[in-house]
Amino acid sequence: QQQVKQSPQSLIVQKGGISIINCAYENTAFDYFPWYQQFPGKGPALLIAIRPDVSEKKEGRFTISFNKSAKQFSLHIMDSQPGDSATYFCAASLFGNEKLTFGTGTRLTIIP
Amino acid sequence: KAGVTQTPRYLIKTRGQQVTLSCSPISGHRSVSWYQQTPGQGLQFLFEYFSETQRNKGNFPGRFSGRQFSNSRSEMNVSTLELGDSALYLCASSQWTGLSYEQYFGPGTRLTVT
Repeated sequence: QQQVKQSPQSLIVQKGGISIINCAYENTAFDYFPWYQQFPGKGPALLIAIRPDVSEKKEGRFTISFNKSAKQFSLHIMDSQPGDSATYFCAASLFGNEKLTFGTGTRLTIIP
Repeated sequence: KAGVTQTPRYLIKTRGQQVTLSCSPISGHRSVSWYQQTPGQGLQFLFEYFSETQRNKGNFPGRFSGRQFSNSRSEMNVSTLELGDSALYLCASSQWTGLSYEQYFGPGTRLTVT
């Protein structure tokens, strides 16, 4: 199976709070897990990515947590800001393969 | 470096016509992938080209085709357009980082089929 399941579909978080988006995959051969951020009228922008040899990766306010045994990974946005309001997509691919399988997306809204 | 550019940005076509979309990758990137984005199906992989050869292909009918030129620029063509082909078509160029391929997307071409 090549699916990547993403939840929640939409999320509202107060400014300064932590936004958490979860993804689960089925294909254990997946070896690369990026997260993308998309604003209306724009293409997806690469935020942060992880390989299965590490359980966590942090870049600024964005952190990926990876649980290989559960086949799950999640994006945490710390100190969420109104400018973070966008749609977020998780994705997965096989090693050395450009074909990305995307999750269904999470529309994040940060309220003041 | 300039990002991925796609032309045109918006397109309106009639059912049965054909359309060609263009993509210029980031300078130095040799791989170009195409994706279709719709509200119902989300982001779906169409195909990927590397050094003028199709290297990967998604599950789309033969009406969807592409090619890549020696300067890495790519085009995709959709023949005999159907209403369901209305979508945002995204192009992404890739570079190998030693860990995997990082894909950078263009702004997309919004195709409306009437």
